[in-house]
Amino acid sequence: SQTIHQWPATLVQPVGSPLSLECTVEGTSNPNLYWYRQAAGRGLQLLFYSVGIGQISSEVPQNLSASRPQDRQFILSSKKLLLSDSGFYLCAWSVLGQGASEQYFGPGTRLTVT
Amino acid sequence: GQNIDQPTEMTATEGAIVQINCTYQTSGFNGLFWYQQHAGEAPTFLSYNVLDGLEEKGRFSSFLSRSKGYSYLLLKELQMKDSASYLCAVIDSNYQLIWGAGTKLIIKP
Repeated sequence: SQTIHQWPATLVQPVGSPLSLECTVEGTSNPNLYWYRQAAGRGLQLLFYSVGIGQISSEVPQNLSASRPQDRQFILSSKKLLLSDSGFYLCAWSVLGQGASEQYFGPGTRLTVT
Repeated sequence: GQNIDQPTEMTATEGAIVQINCTYQTSGFNGLFWYQQHAGEAPTFLSYNVLDGLEEKGRFSSFLSRSKGYSYLLLKELQMKDSASYLCAVIDSNYQLIWGAGTKLIIKP
């Protein structure tokens, strides 16, 4: 069966510090991968998605970046965090080539920028 | 622009029935999902509709009318554990998933 891991579960970082969040998927090959952010009490905002190694699409301009160094690994990074980067970060995967397939979410990382 | 509307919050009584509505205006349509999200947790998949009509899955049912740009999620025999946010999401013509802000459902005993 497929599983998706994210770490860390919670993170408190000062403004201006760097960020690296990691997501890995097991039990499937060539997945579509996604990074979302959810502000408190709000919906999901798609940040990045990837259809393959090294292929990243950005949905919103921001100080975040994403990389996919391996097929089942997706990394979200920032060089300098802003207060507005606080939120619940979710990684998700779906079956490649099936545009209408559901997305499966990891447990999320709660980031607080102080 | 693309838009999905859901009520922000609803309250219902344990054992009762509740209907959560979702209306959408998107560039194309390739299906609609409902997800459940408990506080502090990741969303989990509930249902998928691509054709008009009702899809039933245990205590949960989801309805779709493509001509009206409308869906609802029906929860029967409500339990306290159903207290959660319910997210509506539509797949547009580019196969991108457009998310609603979610409906927070509060169940009272």
